[in-house]
Amino acid sequence: QQQVKQSPQSLIVQKGGISIINCAYENTAFDYFPWYQQFPGKGPALLIAIRPDVSEKKEGRFTISFNKSAKQFSLHIMDSQPGDSATYFCAASMEGSQGNLIFGKGTKLSVKP
Amino acid sequence: DTAVSQTPKYLVTQMGNDKSIKCEQNLGHDTMYWYKQDSKKFLKIMFSYNNKELIINETVPNRFSPKSPDKAHLNLHINSLELGDSAVYFCASSRGLTEKLFFGSGTQLSVL
Repeated sequence: QQQVKQSPQSLIVQKGGISIINCAYENTAFDYFPWYQQFPGKGPALLIAIRPDVSEKKEGRFTISFNKSAKQFSLHIMDSQPGDSATYFCAASMEGSQGNLIFGKGTKLSVKP
Repeated sequence: DTAVSQTPKYLVTQMGNDKSIKCEQNLGHDTMYWYKQDSKKFLKIMFSYNNKELIINETVPNRFSPKSPDKAHLNLHINSLELGDSAVYFCASSRGLTEKLFFGSGTQLSVL
């Protein structure tokens, strides 16, 4: 049973465009929703995270939109750059156990110059 | 100065062998983890240690045994390696169970 479903599996965007990656979850006990960025040969690195008490969080060009009733959240990358080309993972975890992350299957983003 | 370091970065071995992967963090964190990333890039938690105490032990074969000699180190020992153990193993750490994770660069294990 896949608790966090992520789409699309891969995404190609032109430089300057908007990249959008979507995730849906099943377990209403989840209360922490991070996005991780992974470059080839490197470990995942936290990009941005949100809790269900807010509907949106923005950090620079990266925005998380959260819809609690639909049990969905998404990552928007504005003004996408070739340096953003990486694999992005959404994840979820429960209160008091943020380290026990349930990951989505990842989205490979390619930003074309 | 690497925050979470793992050795070795690559490990190629034969089926049936026993191997260890070492992890050290210099962030002063008290919680450490092992995650496995399979060939399809799927990441899944294996173990979590908080203050040297095992907190999370997901459904992992008992051929896998984590050992935490102190708060800065969490090693992973694997007995009787199987082909299906081939994956990238990531160590991570956090300041407590409720803080963000810092991942190492991974150990790519190939079992032949």
